[in-house]
Amino acid sequence: GAGVSQSPSNKVTEKGKDVELRCDPISGHTALYWYRQSLGQGLEFLIYFQGNSAPDKSGLPSDRFSAERTGGSVSTLTIQRTQQEDSAVYLCASSRLQGARDTQYFGPGTRLTVL
Amino acid sequence: AQSVTQLDSQVPVFEEAPVELRCNYSSSVSVYLFWYVQYPNQGLQLLLKYLSGSTLVKGINGFEAEFNKSQTSFHLRKPSVHISDTAEYFCAVTRIQGAQKLVFGQGTRLTINP
Repeated sequence: GAGVSQSPSNKVTEKGKDVELRCDPISGHTALYWYRQSLGQGLEFLIYFQGNSAPDKSGLPSDRFSAERTGGSVSTLTIQRTQQEDSAVYLCASSRLQGARDTQYFGPGTRLTVL
Repeated sequence: AQSVTQLDSQVPVFEEAPVELRCNYSSSVSVYLFWYVQYPNQGLQLLLKYLSGSTLVKGINGFEAEFNKSQTSFHLRKPSVHISDTAEYFCAVTRIQGAQKLVFGQGTRLTINP
């Protein structure tokens, strides 16, 4: 079946511009996660959506970052006033259930380059 | 808080040789443990996970890992590697209760030489 998909695969933007990254989770998966992979920081958790509960935003690095999940499916990660340090690969993952033991399935990522 | 340390950033080995990728973790609460693999220009794929029970866990592609609670380790092993195993490998933990985010190590780049 279809896996997690992300768009765009690559995004180049100028410093100060806003960007939106999209994630389509596996159909029927109730939990959705965003992570960031960068050379300096490795793989970092950003935000977690679990069903209809309030999201866990504890990993968002600044108030320039926000995310929403509409209708319990598609999610959009928005970065406002992008900075060069935002350059990274942004990975989305989904899992069928909300428990910690359930496997997270990752998408291919969006490579963001801020000039 | 949880933390994961992968002791080797790069591991070069010859084809058909055995390999061990080392992972140690720190946590004040019980955790589940995972190994993920990332092939070039691809997302992360689960290799195996330890939830409970037998401390020796077998995964895909002939990999296995052993959970050692006293040493807080979860080392990944394969008895004979192939060129296709060239990839980056990430060890990760998540709390059993509470926040369900994965906390990753810095990764180990495994390079298989012919």
